[in-house]
Amino acid sequence: DGGITQSPKYLFRKEGQNVTLSCEQNLNHDAMYWYRQDPGQGLRLIYYSQIVNDFQKGDIAEGYSVSREKKESFPLTVTSAQKNPTAFYLCASSREGHGYTFGSGTRLTVV
Amino acid sequence: DQQVKQNSPSLSVQEGRISILNCDYTNSMFDYFLWYKKYPAEGPTFLISISSIKDKNEDGRFTVFLNKSAKHLSLHIVPSQPGDSAVYFCAASARRNTPLVFGKGTRLSVIA
Repeated sequence: DGGITQSPKYLFRKEGQNVTLSCEQNLNHDAMYWYRQDPGQGLRLIYYSQIVNDFQKGDIAEGYSVSREKKESFPLTVTSAQKNPTAFYLCASSREGHGYTFGSGTRLTVV
Repeated sequence: DQQVKQNSPSLSVQEGRISILNCDYTNSMFDYFLWYKKYPAEGPTFLISISSIKDKNEDGRFTVFLNKSAKHLSLHIVPSQPGDSAVYFCAASARRNTPLVFGKGTRLSVIA
């Protein structure tokens, strides 16, 4: 069955550490996205990629980095420059003209 | 500047009655609108969509209405069921392949 997989489901990070969140899809979708959800804030776009080896910043890209070396994979790195990283992170993919398929999310907590 | 607004953070409805969730937008370039449903600690799932060339789209118990002149859309769920209790997000895009812009969500509680 096709789908989009995020791992891990829960992640704990110490202050000053970088962590990488995994997102893999086997839907053959060209576009992939990272959103962040905070209570009362809805979903805010971090980065997106419409094609391999290309990506664009979203509304809240500061403190994050991404790569798109393969169509199936779009990992997100939360760097130590992100001052408030505790949140629920959602990855999604889509094909042209259609809505998103979301992963099940990763909850990141700074300890 | 919020381009997609869901002004009601929460809504409670009795089982069997109609639920109406509202969404307003400010960007007149938006031409595709979607509703997503989200349970806690899960990713959102697609519910229903509408393009700007239509004013209504129906799928079973779910109907979305679009009023372009008012820049307003609404999601009607009838009859409401306890399993409908979730957070509902309204989303919009300005053209194909541009990222969706989401509202802050409305938490629907359907009371048995």
